[in-house]
Amino acid sequence: EAGVAQSPRYKIIEKRQSVAFWCNPISGHATLYWYQQILGQGPKLLIQFQNNGVVDDSQLPKDRFSAERLKGVDSTLKIQPAKLEDSAVYLCASRPSGGSSYEQYFGPGTRLTVT
Amino acid sequence: GNSVTQMEGPVTLSEEAFLTINCTYTATGYPSLFWYVQYPGEGLQLLLKATKADDKGSNKGFEATYRKETTSFHLEKGSVQVSDSAVYFCALIKTSGSRLTFGEGTQLTVNP
Repeated sequence: EAGVAQSPRYKIIEKRQSVAFWCNPISGHATLYWYQQILGQGPKLLIQFQNNGVVDDSQLPKDRFSAERLKGVDSTLKIQPAKLEDSAVYLCASRPSGGSSYEQYFGPGTRLTVT
Repeated sequence: GNSVTQMEGPVTLSEEAFLTINCTYTATGYPSLFWYVQYPGEGLQLLLKATKADDKGSNKGFEATYRKETTSFHLEKGSVQVSDSAVYFCALIKTSGSRLTFGEGTQLTVNP
């Protein structure tokens, strides 16, 4: 079974530029999460999708961050314009549908450096 | 709100030493507790979990017991190996579909 795929793996941009990250979850996983992991900290949830609907975006900085999950499969996270403090690893995770499964499967992440 | 606190790191041990990484949590109700591991250049992997008080999670020689009276979930391993070098994250979840709340992470380095 293929894991969660993310691209690109690394990205360097200047502040005020825009950037987009892509995530392809494990096939059949209805729930998709985007986490932000700042160096030296634990991951923090940005947004959670159930199929193509948003379940939780309470910690998403909506003035600059946006995310979508078209057709309930792939997802894109965008930052526009980027700030220095957005430098972090952006992790995508997915979870199987239904039941009481707790495990979230994480992708390798995209490391963003804003200069 | 929910929070997780891990012992300050990093931790450096010699091979075959005993490992303890402390984790305490703050949450209402009865959260489920997890340890995730992040090897260099890789994504987070679930190491072990416990879903109710007094449960013991175990995997790959690692163990952790859900202690509700002390709100703790300390990670232990009797004899660490060089291959255990990684960052370890303690986390909690309130319900199966909701967000994970992570601690700050503890960098473990095991020297031969």
